Amino acid sequence: AQSVAQPEDQVNVAEGNPLTVKCTYSVSGNPYLFWYVQYPNRGLQFLLKYITGDNLVKGSYGFEADFNKSHPSFHLKKPSALVSDSALYFCAVRDFVAMDTGRRALTFGSGTRLQVQP
Amino acid sequence: SAVISQKPSRDICQRGTSLTIQCQVDSQVTMMFWYRQQPGQSLTLIATANQGSEATYESGFVIDKFPISRPNLTFSTLTVSNMSPEDSSIYLCSVSSAGRGSEAFFGQGTRLTVV
Repeated sequence: AQSVAQPEDQVNVAEGNPLTVKCTYSVSGNPYLFWYVQYPNRGLQFLLKYITGDNLVKGSYGFEADFNKSHPSFHLKKPSALVSDSALYFCAVRDFVAMDTGRRALTFGSGTRLQVQP
Repeated sequence: SAVISQKPSRDICQRGTSLTIQCQVDSQVTMMFWYRQQPGQSLTLIATANQGSEATYESGFVIDKFPISRPNLTFSTLTVSNMSPEDSSIYLCSVSSAGRGSEAFFGQGTRLTVV
């Protein structure tokens, strides 16, 4: 079974400060990990993904994420937050083993609301 | 990336009626999915829409309540049948290619309110 957890319902950060949005995961096999952002009344927008290779993944809008296999996590980071980054962020996982049983859909975390204060 | 058009964007419906949501993709895609999202909350997978065959439903979702069609590789519909206020939610269409590491793309969603 695959699952992903986002332990923080909300993260508050001042503009210009670094931000981190946490994500931990559990899978049977190798994980494929994704981050999405959702602005009000919009669908989800893809930010970045980890498939293989470097543990530090760089994505859209200056976001990056750290893949950690020993302490299964995929935290989203940005060196300097913008007010426009305020949105709902979702971590998602697709499990290699689950895919072999036919499950191709992503499993999403509960979401973390990021609030960047001016 | 794929561009996904989802219609309607929102609707207010009477209980006991049905609503059909359409999802149109600008390119042929292998995988299509339907999710439900309570406002401000996470996404729950309803089903995988299979081309030319019955959809694969997740636990807690049944075909009689959420019939799905996928006549070709670019189009799918989700019907919410015999609606009750508990069906008020955002319904999202999602697509991806068959590659294991492929990201999914999402439509803008359909905000449904049942009164």
